[in-house]
Amino acid sequence: EPEVTQTPSHQVTQMGQEVILRCVPISNHLYFYWYRQILGQKVEFLVSFYNNEISEKSEIFDDQFSVERPDGSNFTLKIRSTKLEDSAMYFCASSEAGTANTGELFFGEGSRLTVL
Amino acid sequence: GENVEQHPSTLSVQEGDSAVIKCTYSDSASNYFPWYKQELGKRPQLIIDIRSNVGEKKDQRIAVTLNKTAKHFSLHITETQPEDSAVYFCAAQRGDQFYFGTGTSLTVIP
Repeated sequence: EPEVTQTPSHQVTQMGQEVILRCVPISNHLYFYWYRQILGQKVEFLVSFYNNEISEKSEIFDDQFSVERPDGSNFTLKIRSTKLEDSAMYFCASSEAGTANTGELFFGEGSRLTVL
Repeated sequence: GENVEQHPSTLSVQEGDSAVIKCTYSDSASNYFPWYKQELGKRPQLIIDIRSNVGEKKDQRIAVTLNKTAKHFSLHITETQPEDSAVYFCAAQRGDQFYFGTGTSLTVIP
């Protein structure tokens, strides 16, 4: 069964450092997402991406965050200058369909980011 | 924007009993309502979903009901088993965005 894969599974970084989290969505999916989950809290939307551009973003997704699809398979989340409060589990997700036909959201295993 | 509220935050039931988790949403434009189960340290996984043109859906021991007028939807798990213990999240999709509830930690006591 196809899966969304994410790397790294865990990253520890110093405050102020740049971090790139990588995701490989399911190959025939067209909609890509990043979510984060602070320990013990709910899953929070960061950004959605379709047709090589951001389609929606939340207020969490400020200028420190960016996303990119550098090639046909990878979807990356970059945090330019990490803060302590960026420590969380970051989930990548993809979906075959968007608004026209609501599609199941498939999540990756997550990348745990710890900012010291 | 959409606001999804979920209750209760924790729920303990005896094995074999039923569990009900309720969610409300605010935006009538939301049209797809999935439920995710998240085991400790794992990714959320879809267990059942319902679209806005349907009032009820059942899959073995799991059922979901949707009341569009009242803007609420519920997850029902019957004959609970210890392996049902997990955190359950409801969500509402509006546009390309999924809005999640705050989660319900379900414990099934053997």
